[in-house]
Amino acid sequence: DAGVTQSPTHLIKTRGQHVTLRCSPISGHKSVSWYQQVLGQGPQFIFQYYEKEERGRGNFPDRFSARQFPNYSSELNVNALLLGDSALYLCASALGPTTNEKLFFGSGTQLSVL
Amino acid sequence: GDSVTQMEGPVTLSEEAFLTINCTYTATGYPSLFWYVQYPGEGLQLLLKATKADDKGSNKGFEATYRKETTSFHLEKGSVQVSDSAVYFCALSDRGNAGNMLTFGGGTRLMVKP
Repeated sequence: DAGVTQSPTHLIKTRGQHVTLRCSPISGHKSVSWYQQVLGQGPQFIFQYYEKEERGRGNFPDRFSARQFPNYSSELNVNALLLGDSALYLCASALGPTTNEKLFFGSGTQLSVL
Repeated sequence: GDSVTQMEGPVTLSEEAFLTINCTYTATGYPSLFWYVQYPGEGLQLLLKATKADDKGSNKGFEATYRKETTSFHLEKGSVQVSDSAVYFCALSDRGNAGNMLTFGGGTRLMVKP
C-alpha cells in the first residue's frame, strides 16, 4: 500500500509569491495534518482537517490556509511568501481525528524562498 | 502552553554503546507521549508511545517510561547500531484538544560510529 505522498518534493519560490503544496493520505485515512519543520528544529503544527472540516489550527498567520477534498487529499496554500517560510512541510494522515490515532508522515516538500 | 524540551545533539556513540536521550515536557492536561525518528530524506516514523503515567513504550530495542512526577520521557537503548543513526524527536499530544495535534521537541541527532 502507498504511504502518504506529497508533491512536489522540492520547490523554489521568491518573496511575495504564492505556493500550493499537495498531500494524498493513506487509503482509508480521513484525517490530514500539516506541519512546518524549519531546519534544525522540530515540526510545528499548522492545520488538521478531518472529513473536510478544519479541526485545529496552529499559531500561523492568515497567509497560511488549507483545505481537504472529498477524496481526503489536501492542499496547503501560503500567500505572500517570506524568507522565513523556507522549511520542510510535512503532511501526516490518520484514520481518525483524535489523540489515540497513529500518525503517518510523508517525506515532505522542501520549500526554499529566495 | 504545551512544550517539549530535549537534549541538544549531536550525540555521538560507538556501536554497542548505551543510549539515553533526555526529554521533559510541560502540559496542562494528561498528555500522551511519543518518540518519533527521522532518517535522512524521510518523513517521521513513530518509534514508541505511552498514554498514561508509568506506562513503558518499547520498540526495536528502544524504550521510554512515562514519568509524571518528573514530567519526563527519556529514550533509552542498551546497544546502539550504526543503523540507528537518525534524528529523534520527543512529542506530546494533549488529550485536552479534540484533534491529534503533536507538540514536538527540537530533535536530537544521533550518530553511531562502527
